Amino acid sequence: DVKVTQSSRYLVKRTGEKVFLECVQDMDHENMFWYRQDPGLGLRLIYFSYDVKMKEKGDIPEGYSVSREKKERFSLILESASTNQTSMYLCASRPQRLLYGYTFGSGTRLTVV
Amino acid sequence: GQQLNQSPQSMFIQEGEDVSMNCTSSSIFNTWLWYKQDPGEGPVLLIALYKAGELTSNGRLTAQFGITRKDSFLNISASIPSDVGIYFCAGRDSSNTGKLIFGQGTTLQVKP
Repeated sequence: DVKVTQSSRYLVKRTGEKVFLECVQDMDHENMFWYRQDPGLGLRLIYFSYDVKMKEKGDIPEGYSVSREKKERFSLILESASTNQTSMYLCASRPQRLLYGYTFGSGTRLTVV
Repeated sequence: GQQLNQSPQSMFIQEGEDVSMNCTSSSIFNTWLWYKQDPGEGPVLLIALYKAGELTSNGRLTAQFGITRKDSFLNISASIPSDVGIYFCAGRDSSNTGKLIFGQGTTLQVKP
């Protein structure tokens, strides 16, 4: 069964901490995405990556960075966590040839205190 | 940028009732998608629509791609408790990068 695995289901971090959210997919997908989900706002794209070492800003990249050193792993980094980054974070991947073949992870609920 | 407006924001219905939700856009989309997110999980694709006017069914679910290409709706017939979750519409970004733009979501609760 194909999978996108997010390393943590729940995280609690302090303001100012550097936070790493990890995402691993086992489907050899080229494209990977990080979304943020907030009530009433839906899913908003933070960053995406078309291939290893490639990254592109999404709609709300401020306060975030990403790393993709290996094809299967896409990390989201909060350089200095703030309370307004408390949210649900969803990782997704898809093969290059299937524009709509997104597979989502189960999400990481991050609370910044 | 492009935005999708999804309504209603939430629904609380009795088991067995039919449900309807819709999504509108300020610009044309080439593709409409409908996802469902079960509690504690990521969204899963329910239906994909590729052509204006297209009507597609998946079991008790029916979705249509509006003629104007600026809207889509999703109907669920004879709702059951496992229909509970958040339903998202999504459209393909016009820049042809393949990025998806999501609506705000409709939270559905079903009373047995």
